[in-house]
Amino acid sequence: DVVMTQSPLSLPVTLGQPASISCRSSQSLVHSDGNTYLNWFQQRPGQSPRRLIYKVSNRDSGVPDRFSGSGSGTDFTLKISRVEAEDVGVYYCMQATHWPRVFGGGTKVEIK
Amino acid sequence: EVQVVESGGGLVQTGGSLRLSCAASGFTVSNYEMNWVRQAPGKGLEWVSYLSSSGTTIFYADSVKGRFTISRDNAKNSLYLQMNSLRAEDTAIYYCTRGWMATWGQGTLVTVSS
Repeated sequence: DVVMTQSPLSLPVTLGQPASISCRSSQSLVHSDGNTYLNWFQQRPGQSPRRLIYKVSNRDSGVPDRFSGSGSGTDFTLKISRVEAEDVGVYYCMQATHWPRVFGGGTKVEIK
Repeated sequence: EVQVVESGGGLVQTGGSLRLSCAASGFTVSNYEMNWVRQAPGKGLEWVSYLSSSGTTIFYADSVKGRFTISRDNAKNSLYLQMNSLRAEDTAIYYCTRGWMATWGQGTLVTVSS
């Protein structure tokens, strides 16, 4: 199975400052169809997860443009350009190229 | 509005069974890939099972293979997860998700205890 490794585990950030989360896969996430199926999810405290980004860099409807995804192959990044209070929560990457689907362990974003 | 609502969770003894339901509204379940994802208390997300839109392709996580069965009822526009031989480690909130996990429900809590 693909192993998804996120870092850091915890990310204390000052309001208005940028934040960056890394996600690495144990094998390439490039599908035979040429797409790379790497998604990012946000889970705010007490809420269900919400998809933010699909196929590496495509923002879902309603997701603020301060969120951006990038990367290729086995190395991916979620960036928040200026952290706001509502961004507190746990962020997960997930690969949907290979079976079984696998989530990263999560990165907890908190305000300093 | 596109929505999924899970139900059927509860407290069950080790070795017992439960059937989770996911009622869809705002879309037709048979037109979409559907997944079940779970989250143990205080832990991360774990993918559980997948059903293709055609209904012909099904996948399970190794941790549930042979014990859980995913299905749908097109007439009721609903997705199901039949869970047998439940273990303590199956204790989790179970989420129903649509498509490439763009839509999530509020989840239903399953607690397995001896």
